[in-house]
Amino acid sequence: EVQLVQSGAEVKKPGESLKISCKGSGYRFTSYWIAWVRQMPGKGLEWMGIIYPGDSDTRYSPSFQGQVTISADRSITTAYLQWSSLKASDTAIYYCATSGDSSRRWFDPWGQGTLVTVSP
Amino acid sequence: QSALTQPRSVSGSPGQSVTISCTGTSSDVLGYTYVSWHQQHPGKAPKLMIYDVSKRPSGVPDRFSGSKSGNTASLTISGLQAEDEADYYCCSYAGSYTYVFGTGTKVTVL
Repeated sequence: EVQLVQSGAEVKKPGESLKISCKGSGYRFTSYWIAWVRQMPGKGLEWMGIIYPGDSDTRYSPSFQGQVTISADRSITTAYLQWSSLKASDTAIYYCATSGDSSRRWFDPWGQGTLVTVSP
Repeated sequence: QSALTQPRSVSGSPGQSVTISCTGTSSDVLGYTYVSWHQQHPGKAPKLMIYDVSKRPSGVPDRFSGSKSGNTASLTISGLQAEDEADYYCCSYAGSYTYVFGTGTKVTVL
């Protein structure tokens, strides 16, 4: 069974750095794209970017390019989303989801989500 | 890359049908047959309901169906049930392994 398990909730202050994780299991990690999706409080889903762990090919939404960094560590089948300097507006739930191999264009399954709270 | 446009809310009585529209552009919905729909209950992660415009994953009830015409995709829920009350998001492939989500629609079962 394909599963994505995300790291736990985080509480940070503005200006701090953060790296959250998404561990894949039940499939060949290097062959499936993994995307990150933001959901701000009471708002909709926003596609942030995607990575192919096999060769670290990464694509970003223009809205998030330069604001976050997506990476992956094949040795521990884990993808990451990181910030170098958080802002209060980064407060949101962040989901990872896989779109499978390059022949698929949909997201399933999803991780359980990681709540990030940025407050002074 | 703007969000796809969905109605903010739709509602129906149990047993009725509701349809949610999802309007995009030639760069996404019109350009590809890769529209998916996701259901999200409060406090839960999204769940895939439809992929490739009209295909249902195993385990999704056949009262959920999808279609597309031009730059507008649609999700229809027939025989509405109480457990269908949730938020629904469309998602379209936009080329070069990029994607865009819709603005989301709240479905209320009266």
